[in-house]
Amino acid sequence: AQSVSQHNHHVILSEAASLELGCNYSYGGTVNLFWYVQYPGQHLQLLLKYFSGDPLVKGIKGFEAEFIKSKFSFNLRKPSVQWSDTAEYFCAVEGLLSGGYNKLIFGAGTRLAVHP
Amino acid sequence: NAGVMQNPRHLVRRRGQEARLRCSPMKGHSHVYWYRQLPEEGLKFMVYLQKENIIDESGMPKERFSAEFPKEGPSILRIQQVVRGDSAAYFCASSTTDRVAEKLFFGSGTQLSVL
Repeated sequence: AQSVSQHNHHVILSEAASLELGCNYSYGGTVNLFWYVQYPGQHLQLLLKYFSGDPLVKGIKGFEAEFIKSKFSFNLRKPSVQWSDTAEYFCAVEGLLSGGYNKLIFGAGTRLAVHP
Repeated sequence: NAGVMQNPRHLVRRRGQEARLRCSPMKGHSHVYWYRQLPEEGLKFMVYLQKENIIDESGMPKERFSAEFPKEGPSILRIQQVVRGDSAAYFCASSTTDRVAEKLFFGSGTQLSVL
């Protein structure tokens, strides 16, 4: 079965610190990978996505992620976090439903708290 | 164009009552997905609907849960005889296509609390 693992459930950083959130997935075929962000009280927003091509993808707000196929990983990074990055981050893989439809399979999420 | 609208934002029910969660997809979206987020867990797929049809309900509990997406009106997730374990955030997402990915838009969720 397809699954997504996020290693850190809670991360606390000071402003300007560097961020790396781990994400590993299990799936035997071609995958599409995503990071979503959920700010307090808001809906999920797409941060970045990987379909094919350059394994280093850049998203909004200075975030980037690297797809390493051999490690089944898609880690999220940001060189210098801001207080406004406080949110919950979800890694997701697009997998097939029975019948050929696609659905998103999410990891458990990582809550990031950035202190001024 | 309003986003995906879910209401209510917060719903409190006592054990044994019914909960009805509503989701109005974005204009022009005919595909609706429901997800449930339990504490310390990720979003779990529940059901995928198109107008008047349930396409896949493999993530729905076998009892007490049902979903519909009528020709007119919002999609409804209905939970009968709620129990404390049903307390969770329920998210709806909509799309114009079953190729989910980048075309998926999420609502702000309904937080269900069962007393």
